[in-house]
Amino acid sequence: KNQVEQSPQSLIILEGKNCTLQCNYTVSPFSNLRWYKQDTGRGPVSLTIMTFSENTKSNGRYTATLDADTKQSSLHITASQLSDSASYICVVSLLTGANNLFFGTGTRLTVIP
Amino acid sequence: KAGVTQTPRYLIKTRGQQVTLSCSPISGHRSVSWYQQTPGQGLQFLFEYFSETQRNKGNFPGRFSGRQFSNSRSEMNVSTLELGDSALYLCASSTRRGGYEQYFGPGTRLTVT
Repeated sequence: KNQVEQSPQSLIILEGKNCTLQCNYTVSPFSNLRWYKQDTGRGPVSLTIMTFSENTKSNGRYTATLDADTKQSSLHITASQLSDSASYICVVSLLTGANNLFFGTGTRLTVIP
Repeated sequence: KAGVTQTPRYLIKTRGQQVTLSCSPISGHRSVSWYQQTPGQGLQFLFEYFSETQRNKGNFPGRFSGRQFSNSRSEMNVSTLELGDSALYLCASSTRRGGYEQYFGPGTRLTVT
């Protein structure tokens, strides 16, 4: 069964600290994996997209890693800011098929001063 | 370039009514996908339209339907509303089919009473 699981469900960190969010998937055949940031009441915004051959991609203070062998991805946030408070959603895409997107339920990150 | 726009942003309907939501994609984008987002289920794929044709469909009942116009604008209709249809409805546009490089709109918050 194709699934995407994220952990932790929620996380509270102090401003300026680093954190790492996890995404494990069983989706196969794999096409690409994306991390989205969703502020409350807003639509998701893409942070990174990685294909099978990419094992790391950065977007400012956000760095995503992918291990296609173990089917794991992580999103590392460096020097967190209050504006990083949001939900982070991992989305995995199938190579083929009619319904080819699988969404994690997200990690809710709260950054406190 | 203007982003994805959705109207209305907020909507309150009564059980049994029907509702139509609108999505205008980014100029030049021919793919429009619709998603339902609820706190318990996360993001769930409804359907994708590309060049006025429905290309993919998620596991939702026939009460959920959509269409796409020649200018790529899309509408989603839900008939015979149920309390469980209360959710944030997001649309996303892309230049390509299959959900690659999607840009999300702000969503329409539907409340069914």
